[in-house]
Amino acid sequence: EAGVTQFPSHSVIEKGQTVTLRCDPISGHDNLYWYRRVMGKEIKFLLHFVKESKQDESGMPNNRFLAERTGGTYSTLKVQPAELEDSGVYFCASSQGASLKLFFGSGTQLSVL
Amino acid sequence: AQSVTQLGSHVSVSEGALVLLRCNYSSSVPPYLFWYVQYPNQGLQLLLKYTSAATLVKGINGFEAEFKKSETSFHLTKPSAHMRDAAEYFCAVSGEGNNRLAFGKGNQVVVIP
Repeated sequence: EAGVTQFPSHSVIEKGQTVTLRCDPISGHDNLYWYRRVMGKEIKFLLHFVKESKQDESGMPNNRFLAERTGGTYSTLKVQPAELEDSGVYFCASSQGASLKLFFGSGTQLSVL
Repeated sequence: AQSVTQLGSHVSVSEGALVLLRCNYSSSVPPYLFWYVQYPNQGLQLLLKYTSAATLVKGINGFEAEFKKSETSFHLTKPSAHMRDAAEYFCAVSGEGNNRLAFGKGNQVVVIP
């Protein structure tokens, strides 16, 4: 069974550019989460999808971040325009139903120069 | 709101010695507590979780953790460290029995042969 897949694994962009991160959850997992780890800090919750609906987006930093999950399958997280402080590792995770077990992808390392 | 404190970003342990990683939590409601592990170039993987049942929780790879309400702690232990235990370990808390987790800063464990 395939795990949670994220790409790209690394992205280096300049301040002001746009970047789109993609996450493919485990097939059949209705719940999809985005988390972010800024260097030296904790992993922080960004948002939660149930199928295609945003269940909780209270962790999104600001309106430069846009997450979508069209059709309830894969999800994208767009940062536009990127700022220096957006650098970090973006993790996607999925879970099935009410399970308290999250399956994480290996993350996208985003560097904004 | 919930939060977790993990002290000591880097922990060195000799092969065969006890592994002890400390986690203290803060929660305004009965907590759900988790330990996740991240091996190099992989996503986070659930080691074990506490969900208000038994206070001593056994997880994968020989790890266990004990929930102590009076001490607001959920320390992770393993009697004998193996080289393959070298990884980063994260304690996390959820106050609502969901997967919106608040993580600690993590402990990078180095196993010395």
